[in-house]
Amino acid sequence: KQEVTQIPAALSVPEGENLVLNCSFTDSAIYNLQWFRQDPGKGLTSLLLIQSSQREQTSGRLNASLDKSSGRSTLYIAASQPGDSATYLCAVAGYGQNFVFGPGTRLSVLP
Amino acid sequence: SQTIHQWPATLVQPVGSPLSLECTVEGTSNPNLYWYRQAAGRGLQLLFYSVGIGQISSEVPQNLSASRPQDRQFILSSKKLLLSDSGFYLCAWSVVHSFGYTFGSGTRLTVV
Repeated sequence: KQEVTQIPAALSVPEGENLVLNCSFTDSAIYNLQWFRQDPGKGLTSLLLIQSSQREQTSGRLNASLDKSSGRSTLYIAASQPGDSATYLCAVAGYGQNFVFGPGTRLSVLP
Repeated sequence: SQTIHQWPATLVQPVGSPLSLECTVEGTSNPNLYWYRQAAGRGLQLLFYSVGIGQISSEVPQNLSASRPQDRQFILSSKKLLLSDSGFYLCAWSVVHSFGYTFGSGTRLTVV
């Protein structure tokens, strides 16, 4: 059974810092990995989707990497801003299977 | 473009009352549809998913049920709500399993 963990559970940084959020999964036979952002009381917004054949995806200040063999993904946020404050969740799925979500990392970027 | 609608945004219901939450998707055909619950301070729990009209898979046995009367409509129901049914309910869709999910804006349910 796939299990997904995220470290750290919470993170507080000053504005402008580059930061890394970590996601680990127990079964490396995944098809996709997806990173989401959730603002308080809101739904999930998709940030990046990485196919198993890819090693990274980039969107603006966000870069997500995937290392299937080690069961890890990282989300890199460059030049963090207060508007980046949110909970970040990663989810992984095997082929033809539902996504399994991690518990999330709660990020606070202080002005 | 595809959009997903979920309503109501908030709901306060007494214990023992019925529940009906609706989710509709526009701009795509035969989507996979999902209902998740997010309890306070906890992760996302998959409740139901559907790969087609009338096809419902339940992930967790509980006080809830789901139905898919139309291709792009997914309904979450309960005959009698419990206090433990309180939470944030999210609907999502995907083209097929594993191809990335798109979520609705969620319904905050408080059972009192």
